[in-house]
Amino acid sequence: GQSLEQPSEVTAVEGAIVQINCTYQTSGFYGLSWYQQHDGGAPTFLSYNALDGLEETGRFSSFLSRSDSYGYLLLQELQMKDSASYFCAVRGAGNMLTFGGGTRLMVKP
Amino acid sequence: EAQVTQNPRYLITVTGKKLTVTCSQNMNHEYMSWYRQDPGLGLRQIYYSMNVEVTDKGDVPEGYKVSRKEKRNFPLILESPSPNQTSLYFCATQRGPQETQYFGPGTRLLVL
Repeated sequence: GQSLEQPSEVTAVEGAIVQINCTYQTSGFYGLSWYQQHDGGAPTFLSYNALDGLEETGRFSSFLSRSDSYGYLLLQELQMKDSASYFCAVRGAGNMLTFGGGTRLMVKP
Repeated sequence: EAQVTQNPRYLITVTGKKLTVTCSQNMNHEYMSWYRQDPGLGLRQIYYSMNVEVTDKGDVPEGYKVSRKEKRNFPLILESPSPNQTSLYFCATQRGPQETQYFGPGTRLLVL
């Protein structure tokens, strides 16, 4: 099976940089993805890492180290609208996806 | 406009009364999934499908059935709902396993 750990809550100020970590234990690993979910809304896909290294998309970057079973999501130039929950998810065989419990990010002025 | 639709959006039912939640997508995606979301537990995958007539179990398939008779539709069936299936359900689609996954708006189910 799969298990993922991420912090339950992170607080940061507007304009700052925040890193949300995700560690995983898996019986099969094909990639790590990140999702954003605002209260009352549906999850939105942010990024996918299949190989080690950093993937950058605008203000958001995602990193993966398969040897360390570790990844992180980096959010730069934080804005109030970035206040949301962020989930990491591991893709296993087929299209089986296992999600972490989510990190609630609060951005303060 | 690319869309994933779910119906109904809200449903209150009683234990044992069979129900179906529909999911439809207009993006011609191969991959579709169903998830449930419960407070403190994040999202858990119920079933997924990689193509028509190809379905497989996710992490929490017990008490659910799915079918994929055509590419655009992926209904979730609860043959005999129980209160522990009270949850928020999301359908999602993607073109391939490494591609963006698009979620439907969610179906909030209450089983009494």
